[in-house]
Amino acid sequence: KAGVTQTPRYLIKTRGQQVTLSCSPISGHRSVSWYQQTPGQGLQFLFEYFSETQRNKGNFPGRFSGRQFSNSRSEMNVSTLELGDSALYLCASRGHANTEAFFGQGTRLTVV
Amino acid sequence: DQQVKQNSPSLSVQEGRISILNCDYTNSMFDYFLWYKKYPAEGPTFLISISSIKDKNEDGRFTVFLNKSAKHLSLHIVPSQPGDSAVYFCAASADTGGFKTIFGAGTRLFVKA
Repeated sequence: KAGVTQTPRYLIKTRGQQVTLSCSPISGHRSVSWYQQTPGQGLQFLFEYFSETQRNKGNFPGRFSGRQFSNSRSEMNVSTLELGDSALYLCASRGHANTEAFFGQGTRLTVV
Repeated sequence: DQQVKQNSPSLSVQEGRISILNCDYTNSMFDYFLWYKKYPAEGPTFLISISSIKDKNEDGRFTVFLNKSAKHLSLHIVPSQPGDSAVYFCAASADTGGFKTIFGAGTRLFVKA
């Protein structure tokens, strides 16, 4: 069974640009969550999608958005990039409530 | 508002001894708790979990203890091995119509040979 796949693995963008990250969950998993990891801040919850609907949202500005497609693949978009958006962005998929989430390897975004 | 707190940024332990990683939470709605392990440049991998109806769950060298009245959980690793050196994240979730899992800031464990 293939794991969670995130693309691209690395990305360098300039301030003010926008970026789209992609996540393919484990087959059969309909819940996809996104997290931002920065040094010392742990994993900050961005949002969670289930069956193409956003069910939960963290405390991030509106520049951060996402969507989920009918095949459960998800994309995350960040507009008007800032230097502080440089981070590892992680996607996780889950099959059922109160089970573990499986993470992808992440996308390392660097904003210059 | 940090709902899940890991107050020790790092912990150093001798190989063969016990490692104890601690975690506190504030939201009494959390009913499922997990520990993840993370190596650099990789995503977190699931280690062990515990439901709020239990106070202990054991899996090989790893045991998680939950004290609901104190809103505290801990992960015990016995015996510790150098390969256990990684960042450990505590996480808590509540099924409130969605799978929102909140993570702590992580504790970096160093196991010295």
